[in-house]
Amino acid sequence: EVQLVESGGGLVQPGGSLRVSCVVSGFRFSNYWMSWVRQAPGKGLEWVANIKQDGSEQYYVDSVKGRFIISRDNAENSLYLQMNSLRAEDTAMYFCARDRAWEYYVDYWGQGTLVTVSS
Amino acid sequence: QSVLTQPPSVSGAPGQRVTISCTGSSSNIGAGYDVHWYQQLPGTAPKVLIYGNINRPSGVPDRFSGSKSGTSASLAITGLQAEDEADYYCQSYDSSLSGYVFGTGTKVTVL
Repeated sequence: EVQLVESGGGLVQPGGSLRVSCVVSGFRFSNYWMSWVRQAPGKGLEWVANIKQDGSEQYYVDSVKGRFIISRDNAENSLYLQMNSLRAEDTAMYFCARDRAWEYYVDYWGQGTLVTVSS
Repeated sequence: QSVLTQPPSVSGAPGQRVTISCTGSSSNIGAGYDVHWYQQLPGTAPKVLIYGNINRPSGVPDRFSGSKSGTSASLAITGLQAEDEADYYCQSYDSSLSGYVFGTGTKVTVL
């Protein structure tokens, strides 16, 4: 069974940093691109970033470029999102998702971890 | 800011057919990129409903169907059931943004 479990969310002040993590099981992690998708409270879905199988390529939505860094550890079956210079508008549930990049969609999602940016 | 436009809400009685539109542009749907649909039940993570415009993952009832034409796509739900009450999102790839784009989302209400 494919499972993705996020952790690391919490309350952080504007301008602060936070790293969220995702541990996966049930599939060969190193064979897949991976994505982060977020959803602000009561709002729609927004793709944030994705990363290639070996970590050699990363892509970001414009609103987080230069502030967020996506990374992975294939030995630990783990995906990360380092979020710096956080803003109130980054407040959202952050979902980790398995990415079928060759077909341009994500097929399995975690349950999400909530990041709240507030003073 | 969503690049793909959906109606905010649609509703129907049990057993009826409803459709949800997804309108894009020449840099995403119109450029030939596939459209995918997700269902998000209240308080849960989204799940794939339709991929590659028309394909259903195993376990998704055939009451759900997708189509694509030009710069738009549609999701149809036939034989509407109470358990179909959820938010639905379309998604594609945008070449000018070099990333995935989601629709604005549509809330389906079963009357």
